[in-house]
Amino acid sequence: KQEVTQIPAALSVPEGENLVLNCSFTDSAIYNLQWFRQDPGKGLTSLLLIQSSQREQTSGRLNASLDKSSGRSTLYIAASQPGDSATYLCAVRRVLTGGGNKLTFGTGTQLKVEL
Amino acid sequence: DAMVIQNPRYQVTQFGKPVTLSCSQTLNHNVMYWYQQKSSQAPKLLFHYYDKDFNNEADTPDNFQSRRPNTSFCFLDIRSPGLGDAAMYLCATSRDRGSEKLFFGSGTQLSVL
Repeated sequence: KQEVTQIPAALSVPEGENLVLNCSFTDSAIYNLQWFRQDPGKGLTSLLLIQSSQREQTSGRLNASLDKSSGRSTLYIAASQPGDSATYLCAVRRVLTGGGNKLTFGTGTQLKVEL
Repeated sequence: DAMVIQNPRYQVTQFGKPVTLSCSQTLNHNVMYWYQQKSSQAPKLLFHYYDKDFNNEADTPDNFQSRRPNTSFCFLDIRSPGLGDAAMYLCATSRDRGSEKLFFGSGTQLSVL
């Protein structure tokens, strides 16, 4: 069974700081890993998708890396802004025995960027 | 423009009174998913449709049903809501089941009184 863990559960930083969010997973047989942002009481917005053959993806101030062999991914946010305050979730799509695949979410890191 | 639309945004129902949540998409994606997310927890997959093919998760209670009358629409029916079913219900789509990105709606927050 795939388990996805995100550390820390909550993080508060001053505006302008660079920060790293961590995601770890127990089963390395994955198709891809996706990072999402969720604002309070809202749905999820996809930020970055990394295929299992890739090492990293970048979008603006966001950079996500993937180390499949060690079961880890990081989301790097440069020059954080108050508008970045949200919960960040990672989700791993893994291969199932007998075929098919399944997306498993972590519980998220709640980020607050303060003025 | 929103591509995955969920209605209503908030839904209040009574204990045991059937309720239906709706989801529509303009992406023409093959796959539509329903997730349940309780406060401070990870989203949990209830079921998904691959085209007309329904795929139920093994631990989804029988109380939860789904319908997909066409490519654009998918409904979540809760036959007899209990207090433990109060949660955010998230609809998502993807073009295929494999390596594709998921697109989520804004969710329906369900309260059970």
